[in-house]
Amino acid sequence: AQKVTQAQTEISVVEKEDVTLDCVYETRDTTYYLFWYKQPPSGELVFLIRRNSFDEQNEISGRYSWNFQKSTSSFNFTITASQVVDSAVYFCALIRQGGSEKLVFGKGTKLTVNP
Amino acid sequence: NAGVMQNPRHLVRRRGQEARLRCSPMKGHSHVYWYRQLPEEGLKFMVYLQKENIIDESGMPKERFSAEFPKEGPSILRIQQVVRGDSAAYFCASSLGQRNTIYFGEGSWLTVV
Repeated sequence: AQKVTQAQTEISVVEKEDVTLDCVYETRDTTYYLFWYKQPPSGELVFLIRRNSFDEQNEISGRYSWNFQKSTSSFNFTITASQVVDSAVYFCALIRQGGSEKLVFGKGTKLTVNP
Repeated sequence: NAGVMQNPRHLVRRRGQEARLRCSPMKGHSHVYWYRQLPEEGLKFMVYLQKENIIDESGMPKERFSAEFPKEGPSILRIQQVVRGDSAAYFCASSLGQRNTIYFGEGSWLTVV
């Protein structure tokens, strides 16, 4: 069975602070994909990143960076110099390769960035 | 570059009525998925479809819920005889195929009164 755990339910920071959102996953598959999605207050789900299990290189996109560590089954997300517009619920998700394309989501972390 | 289009964005139904949610995938995408977001349960997979085929409906409630993705036209999620517990956000997503990125629409918020 697959499982994604986002232990931080809510995080509150002040603008310009760095913040890391944790994601720990469980799977028996050797090949899988990990995702992060953002859900702003307006409600839509915005794709942020997809990473396959064979690629442990960290990724940086502007103020966003992701740290994938297979040894600890973690795929953490860091926002540098946070801004008010980063306020949203962030979801980590896992999908196995092959078979049905079924995303398993964590429960999400609600990030509030205060001015 | 239109994304995944869902409509209606908000829908109010009385108990016992039918709800129909529509989803047009991104251009070129032939794989469609429906997810439901309930306040205490988070986002849960419902069904995975390709054109004219249901690939995996393991997340669909056994009764009252159905989904289709016809050869022409949008995918439809149909909920018959709605009950209050069906109140939720329903998200459609699409992808080019397996092992590709899955993009979500803006969601359809169903309220059953």
